[in-house]
Amino acid sequence: QVQLVESGGGVVQPGRSLRLSCDAYGFSFNNYAINWVRQAPGQGLEWVAVISDDGTQRYYADSVKGRFTISRDNSKNTLSLEMKSVRVEDTSVYYCAKSLFGGVLGAFDVWGLGTLVTVSS
Amino acid sequence: EIVLTQSPATLSLSPGERATLSCRASQSINIYLAWYQQRPGQAPRLLIYDASNRATGIPDRFSGSGSGTDFTLTISSLEPEDFAVYYCQQRSTFGQGTRLEIK
Repeated sequence: QVQLVESGGGVVQPGRSLRLSCDAYGFSFNNYAINWVRQAPGQGLEWVAVISDDGTQRYYADSVKGRFTISRDNSKNTLSLEMKSVRVEDTSVYYCAKSLFGGVLGAFDVWGLGTLVTVSS
Repeated sequence: EIVLTQSPATLSLSPGERATLSCRASQSINIYLAWYQQRPGQAPRLLIYDASNRATGIPDRFSGSGSGTDFTLTISSLEPEDFAVYYCQQRSTFGQGTRLEIK
């Protein structure tokens, strides 16, 4: 069964760090770009970052550039998001989402259930 | 940066009625637009990609059209499970969403 499973969310203080993970099952992980998309409570969807299938291309939203780092381990079918210097406005459910085709950005056809990150003192 | 504007913000209809949702891009995006459905407490689900292609497993009452800057998602006859929030997306940009509620 094709699925993505996020983990690592929780409560973190402003200025601290947190690492999210996303485990992939049921598809050829190393053939697809994977994204992080977040959703603040009661708000819409915001794209955060994407990494290409081979890990050589990485792109970030301006709101997280320089603070967040996306990475992947194709040998373990795992995606990560290292979040540093977190802010209250980073509070969201974080989803990992698979790109439909091989390109870096396009439609997202598989989504995880999400992991909640709450930034609060 | 491309901006996607969805209208209306909220659409109130009854089961069995036809729903028409709009997404307008601030500049031409060819056909590169996707639509998602998000039910409360759930992750988004891909409905349509490349403006008019239904994703795997999506019922044929959902259809997409448009190109350039103007796009439409149509639900031909609303089922109870269709009442949700709908988002359009192009690359790294999402629209603000349309809430489809029961009248």
